[in-house]
Amino acid sequence: EADIYQTPRYLVIGTGKKITLECSQTMGHDKMYWYQQDPGMELHLIHYSYGVNSTEKGDLSSESTVSRIRTEHFPLTLESARPSHTSQYLCASSEPRGGYGYTFGSGTRLTVV
Amino acid sequence: AQTVTQSQPEMSVQEAETVTLSCTYDTSESDYYLFWYKQPPSRQMILVIRQEAYKQQNATENRFSVNFQKAAKSFSLKISDSQLGDAAMYFCACFGNEKLTFGTGTRLTIIP
Repeated sequence: EADIYQTPRYLVIGTGKKITLECSQTMGHDKMYWYQQDPGMELHLIHYSYGVNSTEKGDLSSESTVSRIRTEHFPLTLESARPSHTSQYLCASSEPRGGYGYTFGSGTRLTVV
Repeated sequence: AQTVTQSQPEMSVQEAETVTLSCTYDTSESDYYLFWYKQPPSRQMILVIRQEAYKQQNATENRFSVNFQKAAKSFSLKISDSQLGDAAMYFCACFGNEKLTFGTGTRLTIIP
């Protein structure tokens, strides 16, 4: 079944650690996105990609980085985690015409202690 | 710039009753799409309903329907025969110029 997968589902990690949040989709979508969802539930676009080797920063400035080496894989990396990075991170993908809507993963809830 | 406004942070409804969630938007695009997404607690965000702006007919998906008022830039969601499984955060969103913009969400509680 075509879907989008995020791992881990929950992550508690110490300050200063490097982490990578994984996102993979089996729908063959070129367009992929990372959203940060704050405790008030508001969604902020932090990164997006329109295909292999394409990455762009979103509306909300983020210290994280992303890569897109394969169509199906769009990982997000934090080189040195801080408590301010504590949030939920949602990955999504869409068909070329985003007007059909985005498909979201289940999210990774990150807590930095 | 695109904006989406949900003025109801929280709503509640009795089970089996009908509830309407409000949403207004603003976009300079002539070609855009509107969505309602549902995010249950600790679960995946899923698409509830989609409306193409150039279509006057209101979209309907089973118990979910919208009231799309293009001139007023209003896009409300009506949930009929509310069920316990409808409890979730509901996000209104607008897609235009390659960008999907979300509202701040409405938390819907279903009262048994």
